[in-house]
Amino acid sequence: GQNIDQPTEMTATEGAIVQINCTYQTSGFNGLFWYQQHAGEAPTFLSYNVLDGLEEKGRFSSFLSRSKGYSYLLLKELQMKDSASYLCLLVDSNYQLIWGAGTKLIIKP
Amino acid sequence: IAGITQAPTSQILAAGRRMTLRCTQDMRHNAMYWYRQDLGLGLRLIHYSNTAGTTGKGEVPDGYSVSRANTDDFPLTLASAVPSQTSVYFCASSRRDGPPDTQYFGPGTRLTVL
Repeated sequence: GQNIDQPTEMTATEGAIVQINCTYQTSGFNGLFWYQQHAGEAPTFLSYNVLDGLEEKGRFSSFLSRSKGYSYLLLKELQMKDSASYLCLLVDSNYQLIWGAGTKLIIKP
Repeated sequence: IAGITQAPTSQILAAGRRMTLRCTQDMRHNAMYWYRQDLGLGLRLIHYSNTAGTTGKGEVPDGYSVSRANTDDFPLTLASAVPSQTSVYFCASSRRDGPPDTQYFGPGTRLTVL
């Protein structure tokens, strides 16, 4: 079968660094997305990885290891506005979309 | 219109009533999607359309129907609403030119079925 796991909730301090993990099991792979969703709002695109390695985009970076079925989102220099849920989305070999339940990130001053 | 819009923003509906949630995009995207989001369960795909004139079933299609008469519009209909359909509904679109593509989401419709 296919499944995807993320921690339910994480807490971090303003100005710090946090890593949100996403592990998955799938028979085929066509990419992994990260989305951000603020409370009461729609998800918005953050990053896309299809090859192994680190993709950096400003304060946010995303890493992928296809052999380990593992991705993480790294947020640096945390700001209060980063308080949100972070959703991991796996695209399998049949282009089926498999969403994680999301990680709620709480930033404390 | 800029991007993707949904209507209504919120709705309270009596059980058994018929309801259509509207979704319109002006980005000329080929693919469109309907999701429901419930606390602790994440996004679940209800129906999708890869191009105008075609639709497909997602993970939780029962009790819902869709149509895709043109590129821009993708309405979702609840034929006879039940309380378990209380949820936040998101419409999304993507270019779907081949490789997996970024999805752009509408603002959502909050539906309560009593």
